[in-house]
Amino acid sequence: AQSVTQLGSHVSVSEGALVLLRCNYSSSVPPYLFWYVQYPNQGLQLLLKYTTGATLVKGINGFEAEFKKSETSFHLTKPSAHMSDAAEYFCAVSRETSGSRLTFGEGTQLTVNP
Amino acid sequence: KAGVTQTPRYLIKTRGQQVTLSCSPISGHRSVSWYQQTPGQGLQFLFEYFSETQRNKGNFPGRFSGRQFSNSRSEMNVSTLELGDSALYLCASSLAGTTYEQYFGPGTRLTVT
Repeated sequence: AQSVTQLGSHVSVSEGALVLLRCNYSSSVPPYLFWYVQYPNQGLQLLLKYTTGATLVKGINGFEAEFKKSETSFHLTKPSAHMSDAAEYFCAVSRETSGSRLTFGEGTQLTVNP
Repeated sequence: KAGVTQTPRYLIKTRGQQVTLSCSPISGHRSVSWYQQTPGQGLQFLFEYFSETQRNKGNFPGRFSGRQFSNSRSEMNVSTLELGDSALYLCASSLAGTTYEQYFGPGTRLTVT
């Protein structure tokens, strides 16, 4: 079985500060890893994904994440927070044999203070 | 290219009734997945359809069912509604499988009274 843990259900940063959202996974086989963002009353939007290859993945809106197998982590970062980044962020995992099935973490609500 | 559409966007039903939700994937996408999102349980996988066949199923009771048509449009049905079925139901489409990006629709907000 695979699972995802997001550390911190709420994270608050100041505008212009570093954003760091933590995600750890457990998987018995090499995972595929994703970060999604959800704005109020909307569906999920893919920020970035890791399947194979380079472990540092760059996504949309200036976000990036690094796959660290030894730490079973896939933390999401952004150097400088913008007010428009305020949303809920979900880390998700899947694997080759699970089709399109995603297992999501509990989510982290990001607040950006002016 | 049009995104994933879900209808209706909002729905209010009474306990014991049944409901059908619809999802139209992005043109050319053959995989459609359904998820339930609640404050208590978070995002949970319901099932996935690929080329009209259920390829994967989550841990939900048999009251939850789905199907996919030849044009890849999908429906999910919930029978004998319970209060706990109140949730945001999200549909996602992708070209084929895991490594392909999944595109989510805006969801259907179901309220059971």
